[in-house]
Amino acid sequence: AQSVTQLDSQVPVFEEAPVELRCNYSSSVSVYLFWYVQYPNQGLQLLLKYLSGSTLVESINGFEAEFNKSQTSFHLRKPSVHISDTAEYFCAVSWDSGYSTLTFGKGTMLLVSP
Amino acid sequence: DTGVSQDPRHKITKRGQNVTFRCDPISEHNRLYWYRQTLGQGPEFLTYFQNEAQLEKSRLLSDRFSAERPKGSFSTLEIQRTEQGDSAMYLCASSLAQTSTDTQYFGPGTRLTVL
Repeated sequence: AQSVTQLDSQVPVFEEAPVELRCNYSSSVSVYLFWYVQYPNQGLQLLLKYLSGSTLVESINGFEAEFNKSQTSFHLRKPSVHISDTAEYFCAVSWDSGYSTLTFGKGTMLLVSP
Repeated sequence: DTGVSQDPRHKITKRGQNVTFRCDPISEHNRLYWYRQTLGQGPEFLTYFQNEAQLEKSRLLSDRFSAERPKGSFSTLEIQRTEQGDSAMYLCASSLAQTSTDTQYFGPGTRLTVL
C-alpha cells in the first residue's frame, strides 16, 4: 500500500534556529508532493508543492523542500524559524491516477520557543 | 474572501442523532473532496466529486455517511445515527481540474463532537 511517513511527531526548536521536517513516501509510480500547514483551530493551508521540474521548491515565507526520488523523500527545511512558524505541518502525496486524492502523513508539530 | 467555506464550524450532538455539514467550494472549482481528521492524525480521504458526480468513495465512508453535490456547486455530508467514533474534524477541499493532479484548497473544517 502506498503511504506517507513523517517520523517526527514533534520538533522543538529555538527561534532563529534552522529546522528540517522529514517526509518519506512509498510508491513505485509518479508522485506529486505537497506540504500543508495547519495553525491552531484553522484549516490546512498549502505551503509548497512539487509537481515537476526543479526538485527544489520554495514557499513565500522562507520554507523550502527538495524532492529526492532515489530516497523517496520530500523534507521541509527553513534556515531560521520564527515563533509564528509554530504549527502542525503535514506532508501529502498524490499519485498519478487520474485524479488527485491526497494521502497525508500523521503530521509534525513544530514548536518554536524564544 | 473567496476561499472554501464550511458550515457549521462546530457541532455537538448526541449519539444516534443525524448531522449534516455544508461545504461551499471556491466558485470556479469543479472538484470537491471530503476528508476526516482525528486527533493526532493527518486527514483521511472520504469521498470526491467532479462537478455533481461522486466518483470515488473511501471504505472509511460507511453506509451511515452520504454526500451530495447537487448542481455541482456546494456539497453536503450527512452522518446518520452518529456514533462516538464519528467525532472528528471534517474537512472539505476544492480544486480546478486541469491535469491529472491539481492543487486542493481546504476550508476551515467542521469539528464534530458526539456525546
